[in-house]
Amino acid sequence: DQQVKQNSPSLSVQEGRISILNCDYTNSMFDYFLWYKKYPAEGPTFLISISSIKDKNEDGRFTVFLNKSAKHLSLHIVPSQPGDSAVYFCAASDLAGGSQGNLIFGKGTKLSVKP
Amino acid sequence: GAGVSQSPSNKVTEKGKDVELRCDPISGHTALYWYRQRLGQGLEFLIYFQGNSAPDKSGLPSDRFSAERTGESVSTLTIQRTQQEDSAVYLCASSYYRGNEQFFGPGTRLTVL
Repeated sequence: DQQVKQNSPSLSVQEGRISILNCDYTNSMFDYFLWYKKYPAEGPTFLISISSIKDKNEDGRFTVFLNKSAKHLSLHIVPSQPGDSAVYFCAASDLAGGSQGNLIFGKGTKLSVKP
Repeated sequence: GAGVSQSPSNKVTEKGKDVELRCDPISGHTALYWYRQRLGQGLEFLIYFQGNSAPDKSGLPSDRFSAERTGESVSTLTIQRTQQEDSAVYLCASSYYRGNEQFFGPGTRLTVL
């Protein structure tokens, strides 16, 4: 039973427009959320995170929004660039509950940004 | 500085053989994680090491899987009597401490024929 769900396996966006990647979770104990980006044949690289005490975190072109009541988070990339084309993984952790920090990942969304 | 490294990058083996995968974490990182990604799936947690504490083995799928880590250095993941369903990319990650952002290695692609 998946605790972290990324329901869109792929997304295609025009360069310069906004990319919105969505993620839903079922475990209300999750208190720390991360987005990772993965290029082919490479390991995932950390992009941005958000703690459950916040509802927004921004870093340059990347903003993550968290809606705890809906158990939903989203990653906004604006403006999108062709180099953003990659697979994006949403991940969650239950740190306050004593988890060891191991992350529960979604299946990923493949973003293609077209020039 | 050096990131997380893993070896081999690719491993093809026959069903029933044992394989050993290696991970070199970032120096100074006390936490080390193993994950695997099977085709079309997300990353699946396998095992976690934190310093000299007992590892969290809760994600290991069967007793054919084991892992070791000496102190805060290299870790090896061993799969005994490999099965075709073990075919996956095995990823290692390290972090300064639990809860910090994890830095991933490039992975080892294991193919069991």
